[in-house]
Amino acid sequence: QKEVEQNSGPLSVPEGAIASLNCTYSDRVSQSFFWYRQYSGKSPELIMSIYSNGDKEDGRFTAQLNKASQYVSLLIRDSQPSDSATYLCAVLPGTYKYIFGTGTRLKVLA
Amino acid sequence: SQTIHQWPATLVQPVGSPLSLECTVEGTSNPNLYWYRQAAGRGLQLLFYSVGIGQISSEVPQNLSASRPQDRQFILSSKKLLLSDSGFYLCAWSRTNTEAFFGQGTRLTVV
Repeated sequence: QKEVEQNSGPLSVPEGAIASLNCTYSDRVSQSFFWYRQYSGKSPELIMSIYSNGDKEDGRFTAQLNKASQYVSLLIRDSQPSDSATYLCAVLPGTYKYIFGTGTRLKVLA
Repeated sequence: SQTIHQWPATLVQPVGSPLSLECTVEGTSNPNLYWYRQAAGRGLQLLFYSVGIGQISSEVPQNLSASRPQDRQFILSSKKLLLSDSGFYLCAWSRTNTEAFFGQGTRLTVV
């Protein structure tokens, strides 16, 4: 069974702090990894894609991938109340079928 | 740029009624197309995916079906809805081995 695991949260951080969201996956052949943000009642929107080990930065967001440990994370710097949402980790073990975690709910406290 | 359209946004249907949800993608050709369902407070469950016209892969046995009559059109159907079919239905598209992009979703309530 291919799985993607996330802590459901909620993860509460004060405004301006760094939020750290974590995800582990079970299928070692996975090559593509994605983070989505989902506001309540809305569809998921892509934040970051990462395909290689190491860090990838985009504005306030940094994705980190460690394939040896089967671990991918998302850091949000200078967290804002508008970042409060559920963050979904997704993995593409093969060619077509994305596997999503159940998401971590983030609360940024003003 | 590519866009994905999904409608309707909300739908209330009685038990036993038929269902048809439509999704279209613009600005790309031969996309991979997906139908997901998200129950309240739950993760995304892959229902169907399609890599080409007329090619449908079903992931979960149930009373739903999908069709791809045109390259950029994906339809989710049911002949008779069950209460358990309620949920948030999401259409998505992708290029192979890259990120997926979602439509706005359809919130279906079966009463």
